[in-house]
Amino acid sequence: QVQLQESGPGLVKPSQTLSLTCTVSGGSISSGSYYWSWIRQPAGKGLEWIGRIYTSGSTNYNPSLKSRVTISVDTSKNQFSLKLSSVTAADTAVYYCAREVRDGDEYYYYMDVWGKGTTVTVSS
Amino acid sequence: EIVLTQSPDFQSVTPKEKVTITCRASQSIGSSLHWYQQKPDQSPKLLIKYASQSISGVPSRFSGSGSGTDFTLTINSLEAEDAATYYCHQSSSYPLTFGGGTKVEIK
Repeated sequence: QVQLQESGPGLVKPSQTLSLTCTVSGGSISSGSYYWSWIRQPAGKGLEWIGRIYTSGSTNYNPSLKSRVTISVDTSKNQFSLKLSSVTAADTAVYYCAREVRDGDEYYYYMDVWGKGTTVTVSS
Repeated sequence: EIVLTQSPDFQSVTPKEKVTITCRASQSIGSSLHWYQQKPDQSPKLLIKYASQSISGVPSRFSGSGSGTDFTLTINSLEAEDAATYYCHQSSSYPLTFGGGTKVEIK
C-alpha cells in the first residue's frame, strides 16, 4: 500500500526558508486523481492545513500562509515538496504530508494516508 | 473560512462506556466531514469519511452521523486503546480546516 515519508532539516533559522520533501512509495504520485497535501501541528495544538498539489500540478494554499508557501511535485522522484519562506518561531511544528482521495461518486476529498511527520524547529 | 467547533474539548471515560463527540460547522458543508484519531506521537488516522461512511479496518464501534452543520462521532463500548485525540475535518471549501480536537482519556 501507499506510504508517505517526510524528510528535511529539523532546524531552520528565523527568516530563512523551510524546505521539506514527501516521498511516496508503493504507488506512483502521478497516477490516479489525488491531491497531495501538507499539514502542520504545533506541539500540543491542533492541525492546520498548509496547502496541496493536484496530480496535474495545480495548487491550493491556505490564505493565511499563501504569500510564503510553495508546493511542487517531482514525478521523476515520486516526491512532492513544501517551501515556507521567512519563517519565525510560530512556524515551529510537526509537519505532515498526506494523500487526498475521493470515492468514485463523491465530489469532495478526504485524507486517507498520512506520513509519520517530521519536527521542524525555528530557532537561531 | 469554515470554522469547525468540537465539543467537548476533553472527556474522561470508563471502559465500555459510550462516547459522543460533536462537531459543528460555521456553515453548511453537506457530508464533506471526516473524522480522524490521533494517538500521542502518531499521525492522524482516518476513522470515518463523508460524515457516516465506515473505513475498512476501523473497528465497528466507531460510527459517524450528521449532515449540514452538525455532526457526531460515536464510540460504542470504549476500549483502552481508544485513548486519543479526535479531530473532525471539512473538505467542502478552502481553506480546508480541522476542529480543535477532543481528547478522550480512559479512567
